[in-house]
Amino acid sequence: DQQVKQNSPSLSVQEGRISILNCDYTNSMFDYFLWYKKYPAEGPTFLISISSIKDKNEDGRFTVFLNKSAKHLSLHIVPSQPGDSAVYFCAANIIQTGANNLFFGTGTRLTVIP
Amino acid sequence: DVKVTQSSRYLVKRTGEKVFLECVQDMDHENMFWYRQDPGLGLRLIYFSYDVKMKEKGDIPEGYSVSREKKERFSLILESASTNQTSMYLCASRRQGPEQYFGPGTRLTVT
Repeated sequence: DQQVKQNSPSLSVQEGRISILNCDYTNSMFDYFLWYKKYPAEGPTFLISISSIKDKNEDGRFTVFLNKSAKHLSLHIVPSQPGDSAVYFCAANIIQTGANNLFFGTGTRLTVIP
Repeated sequence: DVKVTQSSRYLVKRTGEKVFLECVQDMDHENMFWYRQDPGLGLRLIYFSYDVKMKEKGDIPEGYSVSREKKERFSLILESASTNQTSMYLCASRRQGPEQYFGPGTRLTVT
């Protein structure tokens, strides 16, 4: 059963505009969330994360928003650049139990059109 | 910088062959992981290891085994490869925090 869901398999955005990638989760025990970016034929690279005690975390062009009541998080990329074209995975963890593994969503392929 | 390396980027094997995928990390991380990535399914955890000689099953361990004889090395073994094991295999490691660091992946094709 998929505990982390990314319901949009793909997203296309014009260069310079905002990209919004969404992620939903079902397990209320998740207390830490991460976004990874993956280019073809490469491993995922860590992008940004957020703890459940926060509702926003920003790093340059990337901002992650967390809505715990809705069990929803989103990644905003502003402004979008062609180099941002990749597959983005949302992941969740339960830090308080010391759980080792991450639960990943199915990914959203972002295409930024020049 | 954390470095996770995988022995092969591309591999083609025949059905029934025994396949070894090797992963090495250079940052003294305790935890290491093997995932497979398939279109529409995301990353699914096969096995992980939290210490030398220790292993735990992930979500899809059937048809796979692992070995961790040294801290820096984590091997994934396909005892008898089948066509449904054609996939991208990703190794990752982590120390204390939740962030995992991934290798470049091995694209395995079983014919």
